[in-house]
Amino acid sequence: GQNIDQPTEMTATEGAIVQINCTYQTSGFNGLFWYQQHAGEAPTFLSYNVLDGLEEKGRFSSFLSRSKGYSYLLLKELQMKDSASYLCAVRAHNQGGKLIFGQGTELSVKP
Amino acid sequence: DGGITQSPKYLFRKEGQNVTLSCEQNLNHDAMYWYRQDPGQGLRLIYYSQIVNDFQKGDIAEGYSVSREKKESFPLTVTSAQKNPTAFYLCASSTIAGGPSEQYFGPGTRLTVT
Repeated sequence: GQNIDQPTEMTATEGAIVQINCTYQTSGFNGLFWYQQHAGEAPTFLSYNVLDGLEEKGRFSSFLSRSKGYSYLLLKELQMKDSASYLCAVRAHNQGGKLIFGQGTELSVKP
Repeated sequence: DGGITQSPKYLFRKEGQNVTLSCEQNLNHDAMYWYRQDPGQGLRLIYYSQIVNDFQKGDIAEGYSVSREKKESFPLTVTSAQKNPTAFYLCASSTIAGGPSEQYFGPGTRLTVT
């Protein structure tokens, strides 16, 4: 089966750096995605990792270690608008492209 | 503008009634998906379709039905057999699996059944 774990909630200060971790168990790993979701809205795509290492995209970076079943999303120079839920999702081979989502991490950015 | 539309944004129904949620995309994507989200939880897959006239059950298909008669459309029917239908429903689409083909999401439909 597939299982994804991420912290339920985190709090950080405006201007700081925060790291949101995600651990997963899956057979036939075929990519890990991070999405951002503001309350009541649709998730929006942030990043994709399929090989080990760090992918950087502006203030957001995502890291993957396939051997450890581990990923993290790094947010730098936090802004108030970064307050949202961050969803980790894993895709497996031969599963029609479907994603298995974690429960999401609710990030609160304080002034 | 390319994208995914879902309507309506809010939907209210009485218990025992079937209700159909619409999902349309003009991204020319082959694959489409339906998810359900409950408060404080992640997304759970209901049904997905990779090509027209074909679809597969996801993790929580009981009480739901879908059709895929056109590439652009993937409506979801919430039947009276669904025990707890009140939820936020999200439709998504993507190019066929593989590569960084992320799923694009519609704005969602919040269904309330009383």
